[in-house]
This record gives sequence, C-alpha cells and structure tokens, in this order.
Amino acid sequence: IAGITQAPTSQILAAGRRMTLRCTQDMRHNAMYWYRQDLGLGLRLIHYSNTAGTTGKGEVPDGYSVSRANTDDFPLTLASAVPSQTSVYFCASSAGQGANSPLHFGNGTRLTVT
Amino acid sequence: GQNIDQPTEMTATEGAIVQINCTYQTSGFNGLFWYQQHAGEAPTFLSYNVLDGLEEKGRFSSFLSRSKGYSYLLLKELQMKDSASYLCAVMDSNYQLIWGAGTKLIIKP
Repeated sequence: IAGITQAPTSQILAAGRRMTLRCTQDMRHNAMYWYRQDLGLGLRLIHYSNTAGTTGKGEVPDGYSVSRANTDDFPLTLASAVPSQTSVYFCASSAGQGANSPLHFGNGTRLTVT
Repeated sequence: GQNIDQPTEMTATEGAIVQINCTYQTSGFNGLFWYQQHAGEAPTFLSYNVLDGLEEKGRFSSFLSRSKGYSYLLLKELQMKDSASYLCAVMDSNYQLIWGAGTKLIIKP
C-alpha cells in the first residue's frame, strides 16, 4: 500500500542523546516535511524539502537537522535531545509545492525526552 | 503575525449537523485546507477551497469567504466515526501552511 512509513512508532529518550526519526515514502512525491504536534498548538513545521538534494528551515528548526539524499527518504535528527522536544512528530509529503497539493502524513512518532 | 482561530471543542448528536468555523489572518492567501485527525492517528485531507463559495463532498461541505477571512466545515448526518479533531490550515503567499490548533468534535448517541 502506497504511503509514508515512519519509525519508530514511539521512543523514550534520555536528554542529551542523539536520535534519528526515519521517514520513507513510496509515492514519488517531490516535497517532504517534518512537523511536530503539541497539545493546544497547531502543527509546526520543523524542516522541509522541496526536492531531493535540497532542504529548508521551517518555523521551529532549532535542535533538529534533516537530509534528503534521495526522493524517498527524509530522516530527522535530534543531535542532543532536550525535554522540550517531547512531542509527536509527523512526516508528510506532497506531489508539489503548489496550493492544491494536499499533504499525506505518516502515522507519527511519539517521542518522550526524559 | 499570522493566526488561525477555531473553537477548541464542540459536541454534537449522532444524526445531526455541525458547523466548525475557522477564521484566519495571514500574509496572503493561496487556499484553505481542512484535515481530519482521529485520536492517535495521522491527519487526513478532507477539502481544499481557494475560491469563495461552498464545496460539497458527500456528507462534508466546506465554505470560504476570502473577504471575511472565514471558512467553515459542515458535517451532515453525523456518525460516531466522525468523532475526531478537525484542523484548518491556510497556505500563505509564500506557499507555507499555517495551521490552527484544531477543533475536537465529540459525537454523542
């Protein structure tokens, strides 16, 4: 079934540890995104990639990095986790960047930093 | 700043109709999206409006007024499975999505 796969589903991480959240899509979408979702707040964009080989910063990029070596994969790395990074992380993709390209979301990674 | 406002929570009865409102103030406008998100799951796309008026899609309809910075999602013949959060998002002039915090809809029998 075509879609986006995120791993792990959930993780408890000690503060200061490094962690990579994985995201893979098989829809050949050009654009990919990482969001975090916190209670009472709208989805906030962390980083995005409009096409393989390019990345950009979103609204809340500090403490996170991404890479886009190919079309399918878009990993998100926390270099040194802090408790404020406790959140649900969603990876998403879209066919284009235009106004009529809805996002397709993965099932999310629930991360707890202790 | 950019802002999307929608009610935090609404309650409705199975079989009834409910309207979820969304008002926005953004730097430019390139369309408004509604997504549905069941608890513990990913958001899924419901509708897209870029022109004023009503877009109907089965039991769900979405309305847009650009001059008023206003949209609503109308759900008819409510079913228990419609219990979910409904997210409003506006694409600004830079083609960035600005998200509301979502409206949690509770359906009672």
